[in-house]
Amino acid sequence: DAGVIQSPRHEVTEMGQEVTLRCKPISGHDYLFWYRQTMMRGLELLIYFNNNVPIDDSGMPEDRFSAKMPNASFSTLKIQPSEPRDSAVYFCASSFDRNSPLHFGNGTRLTVT
Amino acid sequence: GENVGLHLPTLSVQEGDNSIINCAYSNSASDYFIWYKQESGKGPQFIIDIRSNMDKRQGQRVTVLLNKTVKHLSLQIAATQPGDSAVYFCAEEGLFDYKLSFGAGTTVTVRA
Repeated sequence: DAGVIQSPRHEVTEMGQEVTLRCKPISGHDYLFWYRQTMMRGLELLIYFNNNVPIDDSGMPEDRFSAKMPNASFSTLKIQPSEPRDSAVYFCASSFDRNSPLHFGNGTRLTVT
Repeated sequence: GENVGLHLPTLSVQEGDNSIINCAYSNSASDYFIWYKQESGKGPQFIIDIRSNMDKRQGQRVTVLLNKTVKHLSLQIAATQPGDSAVYFCAEEGLFDYKLSFGAGTTVTVRA
């Protein structure tokens, strides 16, 4: 089992640039989540999908953030334009169903200068 | 909003001793609780979970206790090993709200 795969592991970009984070969930998992982790705010849920459909995006900070899931094996989180306050570790997680625990990837560390 | 909080931000344990990590939650509607372990540079890793209709659940070297009366959750690690050094998070999920909310985390350091 390869687990949840995220890319890139590290991303350094300049303010104003577009950033795209990628995630491949565990095969067969119907739920996919995007979390952000910072020292100040801990782990925050940004958005989650069920069967490729966005269910709750109330955690998305603002319109600069968008997420898509074009198929069951791929999701993206895009920030455009990026700002220094977006610097954080972004995690993708997936679960089999509502009664199963989340399995996390190893995250993408984003630094916006 | 309601959130999950931890009593102790850090815990230092002698190798071989038992560890107890505590967590308080405020949402009485929470139905599902999970403990995660996060090592440096990695994502949170599932340890054990418990539902609100139970008060105790055991895994390999770990036990989770749930006290709904005082809204308290704890994780006990038996015979703590150096590999147990990590940040431990409790997380809760509401019965009607499939959103896992995480506590602040407790850093556990195992002394050799």
